[in-house]
Amino acid sequence: DAKTTQPPSMDCAEGRAANLPCNHSTISGNEYVYWYRQIHSQGPQYIIHGLKNNETNEMASLIITEDRKSSTLILPHATLRDTAVYYCIVRVIRSGNTPLVFGKGTRLSVIA
Amino acid sequence: KAGVTQTPRYLIKTRGQQVTLSCSPISGHRSVSWYQQTPGQGLQFLFEYFSETQRNKGNFPGRFSGRQFSNSRSEMNVSTLELGDSALYLCASTWGTDNLYGYTFGSGTRLTVV
Repeated sequence: DAKTTQPPSMDCAEGRAANLPCNHSTISGNEYVYWYRQIHSQGPQYIIHGLKNNETNEMASLIITEDRKSSTLILPHATLRDTAVYYCIVRVIRSGNTPLVFGKGTRLSVIA
Repeated sequence: KAGVTQTPRYLIKTRGQQVTLSCSPISGHRSVSWYQQTPGQGLQFLFEYFSETQRNKGNFPGRFSGRQFSNSRSEMNVSTLELGDSALYLCASTWGTDNLYGYTFGSGTRLTVV
């Protein structure tokens, strides 16, 4: 089962920041937070991941609370192409990959 | 650079038949995973291969199998197809084996069993 909780849906006006929350209250000290998104009829796309520090890349920013029990993915200037299902996933740091466990995610609708 | 390539994109099979799906990872990626996506169950992990060895396996019946070749290309096979096997099958590749890198997914093969 997924170890994260996300709202099922959110709306965002085009050009505004989209802030997608994720609760992972049982996260362990050796687990990363990953974010993926899936645009309709495509495979999921990796966005960003972090351990405890805030992270930023060309796509988004990831803010992780100090207690690491929740995080927020920020799309600074949402466009219509950002309409997708966003998945928050926790993964343990270990030798050998572990599968991605996808929950139901948050369906983000960017509105013109 | 080229992304993850899955072939074919669409496939229609009859119940009881078998099917083979192909995945070519990004050049240099040695880990390949397979996922099944259905409206009811969402995205579910099938198996992962690294250096031609299966490293992880999901909770699917033995009718689902896979393999990886020396060039990292992978195939998955489903035998004795059932109507419930209709799904989008996604392949993903990554560089390493320690969960430090994101996966790159292909666009998937949409399998319809009639």
